[in-house]
Amino acid sequence: GDSVTQMEGPVTLSEEAFLTINCTYTATGYPSLFWYVQYPGEGLQLLLKATKADDKGSNKGFEATYRKETTSFHLEKGSVQVSDSAVYFCALSDNNQGGKLIFGQGTELSVKP
Amino acid sequence: KAGVTQTPRYLIKTRGQQVTLSCSPISGHRSVSWYQQTPGQGLQFLFEYFSETQRNKGNFPGRFSGRQFSNSRSEMNVSTLELGDSALYLCASSGTAGGYGYTFGSGTRLTVV
Repeated sequence: GDSVTQMEGPVTLSEEAFLTINCTYTATGYPSLFWYVQYPGEGLQLLLKATKADDKGSNKGFEATYRKETTSFHLEKGSVQVSDSAVYFCALSDNNQGGKLIFGQGTELSVKP
Repeated sequence: KAGVTQTPRYLIKTRGQQVTLSCSPISGHRSVSWYQQTPGQGLQFLFEYFSETQRNKGNFPGRFSGRQFSNSRSEMNVSTLELGDSALYLCASSGTAGGYGYTFGSGTRLTVV
């Protein structure tokens, strides 16, 4: 079945460092891909999305490109801030299965001043 | 506009009891999904409803059930609670039938003792 694999955390960075969180997926169809972020004690917030190959999603300085050839959707940010500390989830939605989201295990990011 | 509202925020139940959780989607959204989040299993899909019909179901035992009302509000019920049902239960709504960006609520934290 479909699945998502993320790099394990926790990831600890200094403020203004470059961030990459790797995400690869397995899917039989042509899924849509998402990054969600979860702050302590809260639900998930959609960070960015891409619905077809070569699409680039971007939001709040974060970017991810849908790479069909490598089945990847890596999250990047050029300069992280302390406020970016959270857990990040990569997810896919098989467009033939309605709204079912399949999530990776999550990557905890801690940014130190 | 108001977001996805889940009630209650916190709940403590005794093993063997049953529980009902409620989710009010964003106004106009007809698709509602439920997820269980635990430290060990991560985020797992429970079921999805669209226009009062269950469209998709995850791999959970029959003790987990749900429904959606004509105003799109949704409830999930867990009967004969087990200790392992302790989790954060998240509800998400979307204005489309597919996974093109679900908005999540803050969740209900269920503790089974």
